[in-house]
Amino acid sequence: DSGVTQTPKHLITATGQRVTLRCSPRSGDLSVYWYQQSLDQGLQFLIQYYNGEERAKGNILERFSAQQFPDLHSELNLSSLELGDSALYFCASSVTGQRNTEAFFGQGTRLTVV
Amino acid sequence: DQQVKQNSPSLSVQEGRISILNCDYTNSMFDYFLWYKKYPAEGPTFLISISSIKDKNEDGRFTVFLNKSAKHLSLHIVPSQPGDSAVYFCAASQPGANNLFFGTGTRLTVIP
Repeated sequence: DSGVTQTPKHLITATGQRVTLRCSPRSGDLSVYWYQQSLDQGLQFLIQYYNGEERAKGNILERFSAQQFPDLHSELNLSSLELGDSALYFCASSVTGQRNTEAFFGQGTRLTVV
Repeated sequence: DQQVKQNSPSLSVQEGRISILNCDYTNSMFDYFLWYKKYPAEGPTFLISISSIKDKNEDGRFTVFLNKSAKHLSLHIVPSQPGDSAVYFCAASQPGANNLFFGTGTRLTVIP
């Protein structure tokens, strides 16, 4: 158990809908990362938050947004869903958010868009 | 554009033998490399890392080798055990960026 909790584990929704994925980081970790893993792809970095503020942005679509709340949990909002958004979405957390600091990953949320 | 590549989707090895997983990268700015292991229905877990100032890092049965001129790294597992069966991801980071760039993974199967 990494200590990072993601909910829900599985999500099935229709095209055009909006969903929210939730991540609770390890106790004491201030930084949260979101990654997307599509079929047969590596994990693609989406966005990083540190202590409530956006720290870095990757290949995140405009239809996607995220935030980190004062209690440090984070939510990833995906809207106007398309079939191609079907993927595993991982959240990871680390203490400092600096590179070379070990990041701990949650189990992921498997999103299926039908 | 995949900057970290793992060209072998799968690898099977007999228990007790050496497993060698390979990874290539294209971005010469990468200076820190990691290997993650992932079991089904779990998130990736950190295994071992190496800085570009080194060419080898060892931790128990796991050794990572880095060849900067070839932009290539490899993970050696000796001896391989059935519990090592998992998907292994190579990842890299560069100065100025806190995120990791991941390869597509290699599924290792260790046959008892």
